[in-house]
Amino acid sequence: RKEVEQDPGPFNVPEGATVAFNCTYSNSASQSFFWYRQDCRKEPKLLMSVYSSGNEDGRFTAQLNRASQYISLLIRDSKLSDSATYLCVTGGYNKLTFGAGTRLAVHP
Amino acid sequence: NAGVTQTPKFRILKIGQSMTLQCTQDMNHNYMYWYRQDPGMGLKLIYYSVGAGITDKGEVPNGYNVSRSTTEDFPLRLELAAPSQTSVYFCASKEGAYEQYFGPGTRLTVT
Repeated sequence: RKEVEQDPGPFNVPEGATVAFNCTYSNSASQSFFWYRQDCRKEPKLLMSVYSSGNEDGRFTAQLNRASQYISLLIRDSKLSDSATYLCVTGGYNKLTFGAGTRLAVHP
Repeated sequence: NAGVTQTPKFRILKIGQSMTLQCTQDMNHNYMYWYRQDPGMGLKLIYYSVGAGITDKGEVPNGYNVSRSTTEDFPLRLELAAPSQTSVYFCASKEGAYEQYFGPGTRLTVT
């Protein structure tokens, strides 16, 4: 079983749609949680950290359920520029574990 | 701050050649990492370091070597390049339980 599992997609959605991604992780000792975004042939970049209480950054909302070892990302009012691969990330001090990513394609 | 820098950006190697991928960070991070990413696939950890003089293997270390003589630099050495090492290589750094910062990557082709 992979440490971080994500649906690879692709999720094809029209502009303005709301889309949700989920991931599950297997290491119950994980201390930090993130969503990263990776554009084609570019390096991953931090989208947002994820906290147990849930957190929001503009159109993006992230949730963490430690009991179920489940992380989610909600994107509202999708833009063409949101097209990318979204990586679910967990870990601790020594290293982070990256999911393989969920691909999102937003079309006009 | 330049963040994490990697050189070269692109390289073509012949089978059996060797090369060193350079990585430097100016954020005074203790933790540094090397990943490879094959087309359409996720990141795979090659080696990592928790501080100068300390390195450890990731999930795919075979065919690679690293050293960490300073906090800033974490070079990755490929010995006897093979076609299976054709990939994009990302270096990253972080501090504590905080986010990880990536360099722009090195695109390597072995033919």
